[in-house]
Amino acid sequence: GENVEQHPSTLSVQEGDSAVIKCTYSDSASNYFPWYKQELGKRPQLIIDIRSNVGEKKDQRIAVTLNKTAKHFSLHITETQPEDSAVYFCAALRYNQGGKLIFGQGTELSVKP
Amino acid sequence: SAVISQKPSRDICQRGTSLTIQCQVDSQVTMMFWYRQQPGQSLTLIATANQGSEATYESGFVIDKFPISRPNLTFSTLTVSNMSPEDSSIYLCSVEQTGTDTQYFGPGTRLTVL
Repeated sequence: GENVEQHPSTLSVQEGDSAVIKCTYSDSASNYFPWYKQELGKRPQLIIDIRSNVGEKKDQRIAVTLNKTAKHFSLHITETQPEDSAVYFCAALRYNQGGKLIFGQGTELSVKP
Repeated sequence: SAVISQKPSRDICQRGTSLTIQCQVDSQVTMMFWYRQQPGQSLTLIATANQGSEATYESGFVIDKFPISRPNLTFSTLTVSNMSPEDSSIYLCSVEQTGTDTQYFGPGTRLTVL
């Protein structure tokens, strides 16, 4: 089955710096890769996603890149702000497994003002 | 995206008892899922709630421990049976925006078992 590895587990940056979180997946048939942000005590919120037919996607300060050959994808946050502090989860989905999302272990991002 | 609610938001229960968690969506959805998030951990899929048929459980989860109902396309329940302290977790339902693969999560139920 699918396995998703996420690194680093914790990340501390200064406000205004960039943050990068990386995930690798094992199943080459996986074709949809969402990223969720979870603030303390709240539900996971979808922040960006990418499909296997695209190499990069941007939404304002957030971007995701996908390397299908190497089976890894990354979240990039530029000009970080204190409100970006949260736990970020990557996930991978295999289309013909009925929507089964496999999550990475999570990255706790801390943005220091 | 769909508006998803869960009841209760939190509960404290005694070991050996059962708790039923409700998930309500404001629109009809085909796919609904139940996840568990243990303290400080990632999300683990418990089962897919199938409308009109038995839920599909993931490895390590069984129907006797986590019975699930899905009576219609907007509602599902998850019961945590014969609870022990190891069941203390956040339980979240999610729904797939039909035809998109995109999943949205409910607010979660924080369960503490004493």
